[in-house]
Amino acid sequence: AQTVTQSQPEMSVQEAETVTLSCTYDTSESNYYLFWYKQPPSRQMILVIRQEAYKQQNATENRFSVNFQKAAKSFSLKISDSQLGDTAMYFCAFTSGTYKYIFGTGTRLKVLA
Amino acid sequence: DAGITQSPRYKITETGRQVTLMCHQTWSHSYMFWYRQDLGHGLRLIYYSAAADITDKGEVPDGYVVSRSKTENFPLTLESATRSQTSVYFCASRTGGPGELFFGEGSRLTVL
Repeated sequence: AQTVTQSQPEMSVQEAETVTLSCTYDTSESNYYLFWYKQPPSRQMILVIRQEAYKQQNATENRFSVNFQKAAKSFSLKISDSQLGDTAMYFCAFTSGTYKYIFGTGTRLKVLA
Repeated sequence: DAGITQSPRYKITETGRQVTLMCHQTWSHSYMFWYRQDLGHGLRLIYYSAAADITDKGEVPDGYVVSRSKTENFPLTLESATRSQTSVYFCASRTGGPGELFFGEGSRLTVL
């Protein structure tokens, strides 16, 4: 069965510092997609970054980047220069391309002023 | 504006009543989904639809009914609401190909 595990229920980081959120997954598929979603207090689920498994290059979106280790089945999110607006719940998600998306249980990130 | 919208955003109802949550998307995405979000469970799929008139069950379909007569709309109906259906409900859509889900703003439903 495919699973997604986020082992850090809560984290905090000082404003302007860097923080890394962990995500591991399990699958027997060779091609799949991984995502990080942000859910701020407003409740909206917002896509932060996506990674296709066949791409070796790690995805980057401005201050957000991932460390994708396919052999280790690891997909961590690095947030650089953390801002107060980054305070949110972050979900890691996986799909092999079918209708099924597996979400982790989330990491609550608090950015401290 | 283009996007995916849900209504109502907040709803309080009583046990046994019928409730319908609406979802509308303007992208003409093939796939649409309904999830519920509960503490400790993350996001769980209720129903999904691959196209108009094609729907299928997800992980937790019991007590819910969906329909999709038009590509842009995907309403979720609780035929006889129960307290265990108190939750935040998210509608999402996706293109026909694999990729990210686009979420609505969520509907918080409380069943008294």
